[in-house]
Amino acid sequence: QSVLTQPPSASGTPGQRVTISCSGSSSNIGSNTVNWYQQLPGTAPKLLIYSNNQRPSGVPDRFSGSKSGTSASLAISGLQSEDEADYYCAAWDVSLKGVFGGGTKLTVL
Amino acid sequence: EVQLVESGGGLVQPGGSLRLSCAASGFNLSSYSMNWVRQAPGRGLEWVSYITNSSRTIYYADSVKGRFTISRDNAKNSLYLQMNSLRDEDTAVYYCARKTFFDYWGQGTLVTVSS
Repeated sequence: QSVLTQPPSASGTPGQRVTISCSGSSSNIGSNTVNWYQQLPGTAPKLLIYSNNQRPSGVPDRFSGSKSGTSASLAISGLQSEDEADYYCAAWDVSLKGVFGGGTKLTVL
Repeated sequence: EVQLVESGGGLVQPGGSLRLSCAASGFNLSSYSMNWVRQAPGRGLEWVSYITNSSRTIYYADSVKGRFTISRDNAKNSLYLQMNSLRDEDTAVYYCARKTFFDYWGQGTLVTVSS
């Protein structure tokens, strides 16, 4: 049971916009920033969004993040086949522990 | 280019010990906090431990506290994870990751705990 709650799966067709939600509590998302990671099959995770809505250099602007209260969302616009991956949200908890969501498997139909 | 390379994984019996290493290159390790994150086969990511650049502050997940010890040698550009009293549920790929928001990850090293 993960501390942060994500839907186990999401899907969309090429060109579509999809969103992935991440729900936490006042002790984690409500108190700290949220980061998102993309994990392609058989590879290490890669930072996609940090500090709720900041994109590292090299991440396409098709990817965007937002946070409101104790929830956060990752949006992917102009969906492409190469976006098929697992996506994880993460935050720090006030108990001084890192917490992750259970991951969302994105399928491009 | 920032690179993190983990090593030291392998097969170990329950109750045994293992020491993981993470070699950093392309940046000055002494300037950054570091973490260990693990992923059990077919499962999601689990944060394991955090250490500040000076080693002054260290945090652990409840699941490993008292059994695992994180450390670093900035002079050798290396991060370590000493794992004792290993259990079946510690079986996972272990990643080292930089900074509080894990901006760079290594490729991981597999630890299998089994008799």
